[in-house]
Amino acid sequence: DIVMTQSPDSLAMSLGERATINCKSSQSVLYSSNNKNYLAWYQQKPGQPPKLLIYWASTRESGVPDRFSGSGSGTDFTLTISSLQAEDVAVYYCQQYYGSPYTFGQGTKLEIK
Amino acid sequence: EVQLVESGGGLVQPGGSLRLSCAASGLTLSSHSMNWVRQAPGKGLEWVSYISSTSSTIYYADSVKGRFTISRDNAKNSLYLQMNSLRDEDTAVYYCARSRWDVWGQGTTVTVSS
Repeated sequence: DIVMTQSPDSLAMSLGERATINCKSSQSVLYSSNNKNYLAWYQQKPGQPPKLLIYWASTRESGVPDRFSGSGSGTDFTLTISSLQAEDVAVYYCQQYYGSPYTFGQGTKLEIK
Repeated sequence: EVQLVESGGGLVQPGGSLRLSCAASGLTLSSHSMNWVRQAPGKGLEWVSYISSTSSTIYYADSVKGRFTISRDNAKNSLYLQMNSLRDEDTAVYYCARSRWDVWGQGTTVTVSS
């Protein structure tokens, strides 16, 4: 199974600051035949289902603000929020969909300082 | 509006069974592979099961293999999860999600307790 490890577990930033969340997979999620990383990022607020933010590691889902961006390839990935807004308080998860089981990271709780 | 609505959750004793349903609207389920994902209280997300659009390919997490069965009825535009031999650790909110991972239901709560 591919193990997804996020860092940090929690993060407290000030409004307007840049927030960075890292995700490392235990094996590559880059599919060589199409050069795509099978990696997604989600935002989850209390009492709500996860919301897809980023897929293919760096493609922003329609309607997601452009302050959210994803980067990385192979085994190391990053979600960046360029200027933190109050509504970004949530738990963020990475997930690999390269192969079953489609594992998630443990989550990173983002709070306002 | 594209929507997935789960139902069938509830309180069940250990060893019992439940059948979850996921009804789609604004979305033709037969065109999509689907998943069940669960979240135990205060915990992270755990993928449970996958079914391809034609039901030809099915996967399960090791934690539920042999106890849970995923199925679909494309004519009813619905997805199902039959859960048998339930354990305390199966207590969670269960979500259905399209395999593009862009559409999720609101979840149905399963509580396994005596």
